Parts: sequence; C-alpha cells; structure tokens
Amino acid sequence: SYDLTQPPSVSVSPGQTASITCSGDQLGNKYVSWYQQRPGQSPILLIYQDKKRPSGIPERFSGSNSGNSATLTISGTQAMDEAAYYCQAWDSSTAVFGGGTKLTVL
Amino acid sequence: EEQLVESGGGLVKPGGSLRVSCAASGFNFISYSMNWVRQAPGKGLEWVASISSERTFIYYADSVKGRFTISRDNVKNSVYLQMDSLRAEDTAIFYCAKGDGSAPIGGFDIWGQGTMVIVSS
Repeated sequence: SYDLTQPPSVSVSPGQTASITCSGDQLGNKYVSWYQQRPGQSPILLIYQDKKRPSGIPERFSGSNSGNSATLTISGTQAMDEAAYYCQAWDSSTAVFGGGTKLTVL
Repeated sequence: EEQLVESGGGLVKPGGSLRVSCAASGFNFISYSMNWVRQAPGKGLEWVASISSERTFIYYADSVKGRFTISRDNVKNSVYLQMDSLRAEDTAIFYCAKGDGSAPIGGFDIWGQGTMVIVSS
C-alpha cells in the first residue's frame, strides 16, 4: 500500500513562515491536495493539484510538489491558522491521506 | 451555496448494519464524484470509498472492502454508504465529500459536517 508521511507537529511564531512536508514514493508524479481541520470542525480544501487554491483561500497558503516530497507553505502565519493539516493523493484507485500535522502558533 | 448534509449515524452493535446518507445541494450533483471519509476519535482522516458521477468507477479502502457499499441517486442528489458486518474499529465520524471532478482522482472540495457512527455492545 502507498503511504504519505507527515511530521506530527510543527511550531511557528506569529507572522513567520510555516512549512509542512508530505513525503511518499514518487509523489512528484501525483497530484497532491492539502486540507485544514480546526478542532471540532470538518476539513476544508486548501490546495489542489499541488499548488492551486480554491476561491476564498488566502494567498498566504501555497503548495509545491517535486520528487518524493510535497510542501504546504503558510506565509505570515496567523493565530487562526492553528489547526491540523493533511496531505492527500491518489495511488492505484485508492485515496491516501497523510497522518496529519498539528500546527501550533506560539 | 454548495452544501452536503449527512444523516443516519448512531449506535450499532458489532456485526450489525447501518446506512448513512448525504444530501447535496447548490451544485450540479450529477457532474461530480462523491466520497466517504472517516475519522476515528482523536485520529486522522481515512478515505473509505468513492463513486464516479455516472457510477462507472467505484473504489473502496481495503479496510472496508466486502463490508461497505457506496451508492448514489442522481435524481435525489444523494450518496449513501451501506455498512454491514460493523466492527468496533469502524467507530468514527463519517464525512461525505464532493470530488473536484467527475472521476475520483482529485481532491475533495466540499465536506459535510459529518455523522457519528459508534459500534459497541
């Protein structure tokens, strides 16, 4: 089975840049999506097709994907960005989620 | 406004069955794939099943294959998940999620609020 690996936690100071990685075999050959989930809420789509943002998603969220790793970058991190973040890709007719990364803004 | 509303969750005994439903509104339902994703208490997201817009492609996670069945009604704008032979490890919030295309190959751009399924004796 295909696995996506994320760091369990990332910390960032307000106003700084946070980077969350997602690694998987030949991940650069697949499209990656990223989701944000605040406590007690449903996930929302932040990034699709590696780097595209749905309407309504702030420009401070950006994505990249190359080789064996994809990255979600949050520029000018705000307190409201404190949440869990998940990457997702498809492999052999199976959707796979990473284990999630808890972003702490402190 | 694009919206998904799940229903049908509840408490069921191990080995029992349950059907959860998802009603869609605010978008052209027949044009998009639909998906179920679950989240066990305190855990991450786990994809469960997907169905393409015309039901041509249906996919399941290995953990539910043979026990769960996804279906859709393009007249009622609804998607369903029939869950049989339920196990304690199926306890989770079940989310309905809209695919970003007709085939289940992309991201999930709209999510419902979820419905809780508890499998316990």
